[in-house]
Amino acid sequence: DARVTQTPRHKVTEMGQEVTMRCQPILGHNTVFWYRQTMMQGLELLAYFRNRAPLDDSGMPKDRFSAEMPDATLATLKIQPSEPRDSAVYFCASGLVSGNHTIYFGEGSWLTVV
Amino acid sequence: DAKTTQPPSMDCAEGRAANLPCNHSTISGNEYVYWYRQIHSQGPQYIIHGLKNNETNEMASLIITEDRKSSTLILPHATLRDTAVYYCIVRGMNAGGTSYGKLTFGQGTILTVHP
Repeated sequence: DARVTQTPRHKVTEMGQEVTMRCQPILGHNTVFWYRQTMMQGLELLAYFRNRAPLDDSGMPKDRFSAEMPDATLATLKIQPSEPRDSAVYFCASGLVSGNHTIYFGEGSWLTVV
Repeated sequence: DAKTTQPPSMDCAEGRAANLPCNHSTISGNEYVYWYRQIHSQGPQYIIHGLKNNETNEMASLIITEDRKSSTLILPHATLRDTAVYYCIVRGMNAGGTSYGKLTFGQGTILTVHP
C-alpha cells in the first residue's frame, strides 16, 4: 500500500539544537500538510503546500520554524533553535486537492526537546 | 471552514453499533463532511466522507441530514480495536481560497468500546 513516510520516528534533542523532520508524500500527490499534535492543543495545522509551493503557513511560528519542499518527493520541517515547548508529535499528510480526494497521514515524528 | 461539534466521549459495547454524532450547522454548499480516527500513538486514519448523500464503505456508514447541518458516523459492529478518537471535519473545497482542501481538526469524540 502507498503510504506517507516520515523520518525520524523518534527524536530526543537538547534545547537550542536544530531539528529536521522529513516526509515522503505518496507518489503523485500534489498537496502536503504538516501538523503538530500536543495534549493541550490537539492537532494543529502548521503548513500546507500545493504543487511544492507554500499555500498557507500561518499556523507556523516563523521565527524558528521553516518548511520546504525541495522536490515533489520530499518535504522538510525544520526547527532552529529548538525549545522544550516544541516537544510534540509532528505529522505529515499528503493528498490530491482536486474534487474530494482523501488526505493520508504518516505515522508521525515524536520530538522531545530537553 | 465550518466548525463542528462532537460529544467529548462515548461508550459502546463490543459487537454493537456505534453511532457518533456531529453538528456542523454552518456548513456551506461546497464543503464535504470527513471522518477520521486516531488510535493511540498512530497517525489519523481516513474513514469516510460525503457531501449530501449517505455513504457506506467497508469501515463505516455516514448519514448526513437533508439540511446537511448534522451527520452521524456508524460503525455497524464495533470491536475493541475501534477504540479511538473520532474526528468529524468539514473540509473547504472552495478553489482559490487558502482554506482549500485543508482539514481542521477539533477535539473529536473519544470512543471506548468495551467487552
